[in-house]
Amino acid sequence: DGGITQSPKYLFRKEGQNVTLSCEQNLNHDAMYWYRQDPGQGLRLIYYSQIVNDFQKGDIAEGYSVSREKKESFPLTVTSAQKNPTAFYLCASSIADNPGNTIYFGEGSWLTVV
Amino acid sequence: AQSVTQLDSQVPVFEEAPVELRCNYSSSVSVYLFWYVQYPNQGLQLLLKYLSGSTLVKGINGFEAEFNKSQTSFHLRKPSVHISDTAEYFCAVSDGAGKSTFGDGTTLTVKP
Repeated sequence: DGGITQSPKYLFRKEGQNVTLSCEQNLNHDAMYWYRQDPGQGLRLIYYSQIVNDFQKGDIAEGYSVSREKKESFPLTVTSAQKNPTAFYLCASSIADNPGNTIYFGEGSWLTVV
Repeated sequence: AQSVTQLDSQVPVFEEAPVELRCNYSSSVSVYLFWYVQYPNQGLQLLLKYLSGSTLVKGINGFEAEFNKSQTSFHLRKPSVHISDTAEYFCAVSDGAGKSTFGDGTTLTVKP
């Protein structure tokens, strides 16, 4: 089945560590996104990529980094510079980064700092 | 700049009762409007979207929404809810720049 796979589902990070969240899609979508979701809040855009080897910062990019070396993969690294990383992270994709296109989401990854 | 306001953070309702989840938006250009649903510990999935044409949009699971340009609203409705409709619902707006802005969500709780 086509879809977006995020891993791991749950991840614990120690203070000062970098961690990487995986996101793979087999929908043949050009655009991919990373969102952060905190309890009681909406989704905030971290990074997005419209095409391979290109990506742009979203609204809350500080402390995060991404790469887009393959069309189907868009990993997110949460660096030690992110001071409050505990949250639910959602990877998403769309056919292209056009305003009317539906965004498809993965199942999400929970990151907890211990 | 575009923004979305979901007017109710929580909506409790009894099973088989009607429900309306309210969403207002602001944008300086033409907009595209979406409603997504999120079940616990899962990603979001599309319920319905308005791109153009008829202002009444029908979606999955018996939901519908009406685009009202003069009131800048896109309220979601269902005439009779089920226990399985318990979830969080997000309104989103996308303008010509292609980026989507999401509201803070409305938690719908359907009680037996």
